[in-house]
Amino acid sequence: QVQLQESGPGLVTPSEPLSLICTVSGYSISMDYYWGWIRQPPGKGLEWIGSIFHNGNTYYNPSLRSRVIISVDTSKNQFSLKVSSVTAADTAVYYCAREKTHFDYWGQGTLVTVSS
Amino acid sequence: SYELAQLPSVSVSPGQTARITCSGDVLGENYADWYQQKPGQAPELVIYEDSERNPGIPERFSGSTSGNTATLTITGVLTEDEADYYCLSGDEDNRVFGGGTKLTVL
Repeated sequence: QVQLQESGPGLVTPSEPLSLICTVSGYSISMDYYWGWIRQPPGKGLEWIGSIFHNGNTYYNPSLRSRVIISVDTSKNQFSLKVSSVTAADTAVYYCAREKTHFDYWGQGTLVTVSS
Repeated sequence: SYELAQLPSVSVSPGQTARITCSGDVLGENYADWYQQKPGQAPELVIYEDSERNPGIPERFSGSTSGNTATLTITGVLTEDEADYYCLSGDEDNRVFGGGTKLTVL
């Protein structure tokens, strides 16, 4: 059974970077899927942040591209998200998911609040 | 960038048919997926590639597309189907979600 689990700080100071890790179990991240990040501000809809292939190829939401880096660590079966220069608008539940044209397995999500 | 339009809300009575639509130019060249999200839970894939039902999803859920509009149909709605529904489409380097439709089962 494929499982994904997000981890990272629940509170980030404005202007600092936000960093999250997604740990995958039950499936090797080195196989033929992309791995993506999606976020959802409280009470709002879903927003795709970006996706990465195991060889490091990345795709980013054009509106976030200048502030986002997604990387992969195949040795740990993890991929990670870094968002720089965060503001209150980056407060959201962040989900990681497996992607092959569609997101078929999701993590439970982790709430990240940007506040001083 | 791409945009996908969904009605904010749809209401039906139990046993009726609910139709949730998603419109946008991107649908003319890309598949649509549908996700169900219940309060406090992660989204769950319901339909992918316009009309393929994800394993474990009941047969009352179906998907279709016509031109630039994708439709999620729930035939014989149950109270447990009350949730937010999101469509997703786009290229691999520009994926976009619709704004979501809240399905209320009265």
